[in-house]
Amino acid sequence: GESVGLHLPTLSVQEGDNSIINCAYSNSASDYFIWYKQESGKGPQFIIDIRSNMDKRQGQRVTVLLNKTVKHLSLQIAATQPGDSAVYFCAENYDKIIFGKGTRLHILP
Amino acid sequence: DTEVTQTPKHLVMGMTNKKSLKCEQHMGHRAMYWYKQKAKKPPELMFVYSYEKLSINESVPSRFSPECPNSSLLNLHLHALQPEDSALYLCASSQTVNTEAFFGQGTRLTVV
Repeated sequence: GESVGLHLPTLSVQEGDNSIINCAYSNSASDYFIWYKQESGKGPQFIIDIRSNMDKRQGQRVTVLLNKTVKHLSLQIAATQPGDSAVYFCAENYDKIIFGKGTRLHILP
Repeated sequence: DTEVTQTPKHLVMGMTNKKSLKCEQHMGHRAMYWYKQKAKKPPELMFVYSYEKLSINESVPSRFSPECPNSSLLNLHLHALQPEDSALYLCASSQTVNTEAFFGQGTRLTVV
């Protein structure tokens, strides 16, 4: 897998490797965080969420980590597949859902 | 059923036209949202309805007018738009304002 710096617009990962997508959020009062996947021409699709009383949550092939001290989120995708190609957005929610800049995940064959 | 349905999928309108975008959900959600998304940018929040009342307006120009006729429906009325308003307009809903939101596929709007 490849770890990337914050706000990197594109992440290229070999098929089968793990992907790590990072995100910084701005509001220390945010208590709920969501990762969305958006494929070309479609609306954002919910992947996984986490509340501020947790630091890790796992789903099917995905894990979200939350570090409140540095206001940082990451999304880990295990065994990346071609169908994972999309733009991934983190979103923070205090009384409204605000999206971060997004990272395009590109899968190499 | 976790579906949010938006109509139409595509819309081309002139700057003097009046049109409406429609959004429907049957998940019993009490919060509904309008977002605007330009190419290669994240969705930007426009409006939030909570229990059929407008709770957030993100300083959106008055040429965009939202309406929530009932708990399942959300409309966005458009009037005298500008070419720079061309974008993908996304509707979303969630159980309440602090829970996961589900998005529709969007309406691709072109203003000519």
